[in-house]
Amino acid sequence: QSVLTQPPSVSGAPGQRVTISCTGSSSNIGAGNDVHWYQVVPGTAPKLLVYVNFNRPSGVPDRFFGSKSGTSASLAITGLQAEDEADFYCQSYDNSLNTYVFGGGTKVTVL
Amino acid sequence: EVQLVESGGGLVQPGGSLRLSCAVSGFSFSSYWMNWVRHVQGKGLEWVASIRYDGSEKHYVDSVKGRFTISRDNAKKSLYLEMNSLSGEDTAVYYCARDPDAYCSGGTCFFFYFDFWGQGAPVTVSS
Repeated sequence: QSVLTQPPSVSGAPGQRVTISCTGSSSNIGAGNDVHWYQVVPGTAPKLLVYVNFNRPSGVPDRFFGSKSGTSASLAITGLQAEDEADFYCQSYDNSLNTYVFGGGTKVTVL
Repeated sequence: EVQLVESGGGLVQPGGSLRLSCAVSGFSFSSYWMNWVRHVQGKGLEWVASIRYDGSEKHYVDSVKGRFTISRDNAKKSLYLEMNSLSGEDTAVYYCARDPDAYCSGGTCFFFYFDFWGQGAPVTVSS
């Protein structure tokens, strides 16, 4: 299983808000390492959505909001749109494993 | 415009070898650490290997150590992954990706995130 834990799926109606959690441990998120989020649509290049906990790259709408506290982080998507259907992954660095680590991914479904 | 374009994926028998390439444009390739990350269907993303901007340092996930070799040619702006002794567990889509902030200081290297990714090269290991 993945070092970082995410719910397998979340869903919401258009316009609603959904939140994806990412739980780590004292050797990664809890050690103060930053959390980053990616959107993966099958057949396309993964896209950086949030970096260093809450920063958005140019072009990413402010409907995507990242936060971090203790050994966990979360990604909130507000004003859910059909185009948001994708898999979302959190990522950090683990000081014990000395590797980048990912969550198992969360599939977002727009009802 | 930043572009990363992987090639070299395909079907290979267990125990076989494959070499992936990633052609880069749109940024100063020789200034950045580069990586290979794979996406295993149903299992998510997994970092595979990293290489320092000048090729002097390389890191691998334990499961590929001794079998995979990451390399780069800065003159050709290209990243490579030589994969040997392949097994079914290596079946995945392989992406090249840039870490914009990775650095080493005092003998310790620090790694962060991936800001640009390629579209991926599918690798299937099957008889």
